[in-house]
Amino acid sequence: DVQLVESGGGFVQPGGSHRLSCAASGFTFSDHYFHWVRQAPGKGLVWVARIHLDGSSTQYADFVEGRFTISRDNAKETLSLNMDSLRVEDTAIYYCVREGDYSPKLDYWGQGVLVTVSS
Amino acid sequence: DMQLTQSPSSLSASVGDRVTITCRASQSIAGYLNWYQHKPGRAPKLLIFAATSLESGVSSRFRGSVSGTGFSLTISSLQPEDFATYYCQQSYTTRWTFGQGTKVEIK
Repeated sequence: DVQLVESGGGFVQPGGSHRLSCAASGFTFSDHYFHWVRQAPGKGLVWVARIHLDGSSTQYADFVEGRFTISRDNAKETLSLNMDSLRVEDTAIYYCVREGDYSPKLDYWGQGVLVTVSS
Repeated sequence: DMQLTQSPSSLSASVGDRVTITCRASQSIAGYLNWYQHKPGRAPKLLIFAATSLESGVSSRFRGSVSGTGFSLTISSLQPEDFATYYCQQSYTTRWTFGQGTKVEIK
């Protein structure tokens, strides 16, 4: 079965840094693009970032551009999100998401991990 | 930036009702439009991809369509497990975006 398990959630002070990880299993990791999507408390889903198959190309939402870095390790089948200069408004559940094989769709989601940015 | 606008933002319906949610894009996105269901405390679930294709394992009571005014998700006969928030999402532009969501509540 496809599994995506996020880790690294917790409390961070504004201006601080934090790293999220996502361990994948049950499929060929290197065959898929990956994304991070977040949901702030009481708000809707928001797309954050995308990474290509070998990590050579990445895209970001404008509100995280220059602060967040998405990366992957195909040998370890792990996706990461490095978050710098965190703001209170970055408080959210962060989901690790797999992109589908033959269509640009988000077909498998992790359970999500909560990051709280607060002083 | 690309914007997706869903309507309504929320609705109340009864079991057995037919429900339609619409999604309008601020610019052309061809057919690169997906629909998701999200329940509190759960991972979102893909329902429809490429505007009209039903994801494997999803009930056929969910249907995606395209019209001159945009895109629609129709639930033909609402079931108790369908009460959730539904999101459209476009994958046409480099930066993907979601609609603001439509909460389907029990009347």
